[in-house]
Amino acid sequence: AQRVTQPEKLLSVFKGAPVELKCNYSYSGSPELFWYVQYSRQRLQLLLRHISRESIKGFTADLNKGETSFHLKKPFAQEEDSAMYYCALTVPGGKLIFGQGTELSVKP
Amino acid sequence: DTAVSQTPKYLVTQMGNDKSIKCEQNLGHDTMYWYKQDSKKFLKIMFSYNNKELIINETVPNRFSPKSPDKAHLNLHINSLELGDSAVYFCASSQFPGQGRTEAFFGQGTRLTVV
Repeated sequence: AQRVTQPEKLLSVFKGAPVELKCNYSYSGSPELFWYVQYSRQRLQLLLRHISRESIKGFTADLNKGETSFHLKKPFAQEEDSAMYYCALTVPGGKLIFGQGTELSVKP
Repeated sequence: DTAVSQTPKYLVTQMGNDKSIKCEQNLGHDTMYWYKQDSKKFLKIMFSYNNKELIINETVPNRFSPKSPDKAHLNLHINSLELGDSAVYFCASSQFPGQGRTEAFFGQGTRLTVV
């Protein structure tokens, strides 16, 4: 079955601390994975896609096919990083399957 | 020049009413989607259209009917609204997979409250 799992519903860290938002997926084919972010009451927007291997706003994510994971990391969290983060998998037909989301709260 | 726009942004209505949400994209994408975000912030796809043709129809009550007059528009009509329909509905668009980037662009959401 195609599935994306984000085990943490809420992650709370202090400013300057490292952050890791976990994402595991289940998919038999070659996955195309994304991280989307939703700031308070705003639209979802793309943060990262695994194909591009880029760093956006200090965030990186590495696809680990052996562990079927795509964890999102940032070495030093900022208050403006507080948001909902969704890991997503694209399957044939273009459907995005989202994880349950992790709310990141960065405290001053 | 918003890429994906939805109207209305907020919708409060009584049970049993019929309502529509409109979505338009100016990105030239072939594929459009409707997603539902429930009170627990869980996002689930409802429908997907490619060039006005329905390609994804998840298990959604028949009271929900999407309509795509052209590939830039995908509207969602809901009949006989129920309390459980209260949610945020997001429209999105993307290029069809196999034709380049499959990144989805989302609208700002329509917060539907059924009272």
